[in-house]
This record gives sequence, structure tokens and C-alpha cells, in this order.
Amino acid sequence: EVRLVESGGGPVQPGRSLRLSCRGSGFKFGDYAINWVRQAPGKGLEWVGYIRSLPYDGTAQYAASVKGRFTISRDDSENIAYLQMNSLKTEDTGVYYCAADPHYYYGSGFEYWGQGTLVSVSA
Amino acid sequence: DIQLTQSPSSLSASVGDRVIITCRASQSISRHLNWYQQKPGQAPKLLIFAASSLQSEVPSRFTGSGSGTDFSLTISSLQLEDFAYYYCQQGYRTPRTFGQGTKVEIK
Repeated sequence: EVRLVESGGGPVQPGRSLRLSCRGSGFKFGDYAINWVRQAPGKGLEWVGYIRSLPYDGTAQYAASVKGRFTISRDDSENIAYLQMNSLKTEDTGVYYCAADPHYYYGSGFEYWGQGTLVSVSA
Repeated sequence: DIQLTQSPSSLSASVGDRVIITCRASQSISRHLNWYQQKPGQAPKLLIFAASSLQSEVPSRFTGSGSGTDFSLTISSLQLEDFAYYYCQQGYRTPRTFGQGTKVEIK
């Protein structure tokens, strides 16, 4: 059974840090790009960033809204990816999903999703 | 950044209706367009990738078409379990972007 499980969410004050984890099982984790997608309460989906698989170069890219504050990393030996969030703002509040993309050259989507973890940034 | 504009933002339909949702990109994205379904309290689910490829185990009543800047998702005969939000997403360039979503409601 394919699973992606996020953890690490919770309440946090503005300006503080939080690290989310995304653990995969049931598929070849190392062959997939891992994306982070968030959803503010009552709003649509927003791509946060991704880290490519190591065969593709393993680099990370970010949305402008989080660049310089968030960092994505991965440890394929443990089938886990991380989202380090620093200098959190109230507008970072939302459900954070990790999603795995096989990144085929001809096009692919976010095939597997976690259940999401809620981050609430408030004073 | 590539902007994706979905229409309509919401629609009301009956079971058995044919429903079409469109997604327009601000520049050509070839066929790098994906469609997702999201129900309240759940994670999104991939329906269509690369504009027209049906994801495994997704019912065949869902079809995708288009290329370049204009795309559509068609549900041939709406079922009760299809009432949900639908999002398009481009995988052509980073930052990846989503459309604003379409809410499909019961008439």
C-alpha cells in the first residue's frame, strides 16, 4: 500500500520555526520529486516548493512567497523529506500536504498525496 | 509565473449531466497540465496527467483534452461522488501553479 505521512504541524508564533516531515512507503521514494503544497483555510491549493529526485539532480525550487524562509531536503535512505519553515508569518497558516511526482519528461502529476498536517501561525 | 484561469468558478449540475471545466494558461505549456479532485477534509486526488492521460483507477467518465494554452476536463455523466472541487495544475515550469478551483455542486 502506498502511503505518504506528514507530521510536525501545530501552533506556532510568528517569527518562529517549524519542521515538517513527509515519510513515504509502498513506492520507490527515491525516484520521485517531493512537492509541498499548502491550503489556507477555505482557499485553494498553493504550491510551496519541491525537491527533485537525486537522479534528476536533487535540487529544490520554491514559490516566491516562501523563498529564503523555507528549505526542502530529503533523505532517501529513510524515505523521508523535510520542509524547514523559518520566520513564519500568519499568512503561512494552512494545511500542508506533501505530494510525490514521478516527473516523467513527457509530463506527470502529483501521483501520491499525504493526509496533510495543519500549521497555525498566531500570536 | 504561469497563471491558470479556470472557468466556471462554480457550477450546479444534476446526476447524469455532462460537465465541462476549462483551464486557460497565460502562456503555452504544451501538454503539461494535470487535473485534481478534492473533497472536503481530504487531500487532492490526481485524475488526469499530461492533459489527457487517465490516472490509474480513475473512472473513464473523466476525460481531459487540450494543448498549448487551452484545456478542459469533461465528466461525461456526473455521479453523486463527483461533487467536489476540481483544480488544474501546470507542470511545465516552476513555480508550479494551480488554477483557482471549480466547485461542482448538486442542483
